[in-house]
Amino acid sequence: QKEVEQNSGPLSVPEGAIASLNCTYSDRGSQSFFWYRQYSGKSPELIMFIYSNGDKEDGRFTAQLNKASQYVSLLIRDSQPSDSATYLCAVSKNFGNEKLTFGTGTRLTIIP
Amino acid sequence: DAGVTQSPTHLIKTRGQQVTLRCSPKSGHDTVSWYQQALGQGPQFIFQYYEEEERQRGNFPDRFSGHQFPNYSSELNVNALLLGDSALYLCASSFVGRNEQYFGPGTRLTVT
Repeated sequence: QKEVEQNSGPLSVPEGAIASLNCTYSDRGSQSFFWYRQYSGKSPELIMFIYSNGDKEDGRFTAQLNKASQYVSLLIRDSQPSDSATYLCAVSKNFGNEKLTFGTGTRLTIIP
Repeated sequence: DAGVTQSPTHLIKTRGQQVTLRCSPKSGHDTVSWYQQALGQGPQFIFQYYEEEERQRGNFPDRFSGHQFPNYSSELNVNALLLGDSALYLCASSFVGRNEQYFGPGTRLTVT
């Protein structure tokens, strides 16, 4: 079982719709959860992080965490073509100075 | 506010050679982590430096070594290069006690 699992996609979503990206992790002791966006040929960009169960909203992005189910998700509202990218889920065991373990990423395509 | 910088951008080396990659952290950050990203994969943790010491290490051979300088900048050295070392090498910086890691643009290493 992989430590962090994501559906590789591609996930195609119409412009203006909600894109839903999912991630599961195997280590129940994980404490910190991150979403990175990576455009083709570029480096990962941190877009959201969440440490507590529940929802965290930032603009069009909402991160959702359910530690009991070992599940974290990212919702993108009002999807734009510029949201087309690979989204990487990352997990760490502590709140600071800890390595990040990444999934393989989900490729998202927003269809105009 | 200067972000994470890395040099060089691209590098081509021959099997058996040695390479040094450089990273300057984001202003105010004191911790540097290095990751290797193969094509189509998520970043894999190599090691992390804080206070000029290697604090954590991933599952990489001793051919991979590093250093952190008093100004928090860091180097990644890889000896006896193999074809399989071809990848995007990413440096991420963070502040001690926090785990939000911000990536530099990366160095694309090609080993022929």
